[in-house]
Amino acid sequence: ETGVTQTPRHLVMGMTNKKSLKCEQHLGHNAMYWYKQSAKKPLELMFVYNFKEQTENNSVPSRFSPECPNSSHLFLHLHTLQPEDSALYLCASSQGGGVYNEQFFGPGTRLTVL
Amino acid sequence: AQTVTQSQPEMSVQEAETVTLSCTYDTSESDYYLFWYKQPPSRQMILVIRQEAYKQQNATENRFSVNFQKAAKSFSLKISDSQLGDAAMYFCAYRSAQGGSEKLVFGKGTKLTVNP
Repeated sequence: ETGVTQTPRHLVMGMTNKKSLKCEQHLGHNAMYWYKQSAKKPLELMFVYNFKEQTENNSVPSRFSPECPNSSHLFLHLHTLQPEDSALYLCASSQGGGVYNEQFFGPGTRLTVL
Repeated sequence: AQTVTQSQPEMSVQEAETVTLSCTYDTSESDYYLFWYKQPPSRQMILVIRQEAYKQQNATENRFSVNFQKAAKSFSLKISDSQLGDAAMYFCAYRSAQGGSEKLVFGKGTKLTVNP
């Protein structure tokens, strides 16, 4: 595996379900991100982790719970979601602290909440 | 707070022709970075080109170049000799250079269609 991988690629869940999204980066980066991409809206940054520590929470509802056990893995735990949470969830990683700090993106998880 | 505006939801271009995608941004900061990202259908978003605000020279990457107008807060992307593989959503993004910020602020995107 290379780059940034995300599983599952597609997820359909009911409002009462609990599920988790997984992201793994194989680039040796130390910063990881969760974004939400909805149709006709800008990408919304949700969370940022640097060296496993959360450095940004962009006012995300508590039904989204991130977890970063190490610099290579990032999870997004989902529970009691709403239909408006249906979107493409993108994970990204970067070296962090660099001048350019290019973010490398995963392919995303397409989430549908029924 | 910074904002990024892409005023063209959709654009189209003939293969081998040139197209320019517009982006404007709003910030009170003097030092920052600007990016163009490409997201092909059902594929990963990738960085196309980047520009440091303190550099006057416009960035160029092969067929991709930018027109950076700092005073006007404008950052357009020019694609020359368009190819079918250029068809994608293009996102303009801003990142502050202050305080070690990791946050990218994105525009809504422009969908580019390349006609054969």
